[in-house]
Amino acid sequence: AQSVTQPDIHITVSEGASLELRCNYSYGATPYLFWYVQSPGQGLQLLLKYFSGDTLVQGIKGFEAEFKRSQSSFNLRKPSVHWSDAAEYFCAVSHMEYGNKLVFGAGTILRVKS
Amino acid sequence: DTGVSQNPRHKITKRGQNVTFRCDPISEHNRLYWYRQTLGQGPEFLTYFQNEAQLEKSRLLSDRFSAERPKGSFSTLEIQRTEQGDSAMYLCASSYKGRQETQYFGPGTRLLVL
Repeated sequence: AQSVTQPDIHITVSEGASLELRCNYSYGATPYLFWYVQSPGQGLQLLLKYFSGDTLVQGIKGFEAEFKRSQSSFNLRKPSVHWSDAAEYFCAVSHMEYGNKLVFGAGTILRVKS
Repeated sequence: DTGVSQNPRHKITKRGQNVTFRCDPISEHNRLYWYRQTLGQGPEFLTYFQNEAQLEKSRLLSDRFSAERPKGSFSTLEIQRTEQGDSAMYLCASSYKGRQETQYFGPGTRLLVL
């Protein structure tokens, strides 16, 4: 069965500090990989995605993520966090063999302290 | 491009009542997905359409749930005889046939069953 694990439920970082959010997946084949962000009471906004090619992908708002096949991981990073980055972050996987339906992790809540 | 819209944004109902939600996808997006998100969890897939055809339903979608997309444009999700366990955020997403793997989400409908 496909699954996504985000081991950190909450993370607190200081404004200006670097950030790394972890994501591991279990899937039959190499899936498509995504990071979404959700502000309270809102829908999901796509930050970045990986399908193939360069394993380091750049997204919006200064985020990047690195795909590591050997570790089945797709960690999200940002070199300097801003207070407006406080939100919940979801890692997700999909594959066209399964209708591209997304399988999400449980999310990581990011708190930014000033 | 106006994005995915969902109505209503909030719904409070009493147990046993029927409710219906509407999703308007991005224009010319042929696939439409429904997800459910409960508090503290990531979204879970419910069902999806390609044009007007419903291609897959999750086992989460009990027989009290029905979804339609009659003309391949907007979609409705109806819950009959609501139960308190149906309280959740219901998210709709759509994707374009040239880029099926990338889904764009609406703001969601938050349902509270009393």
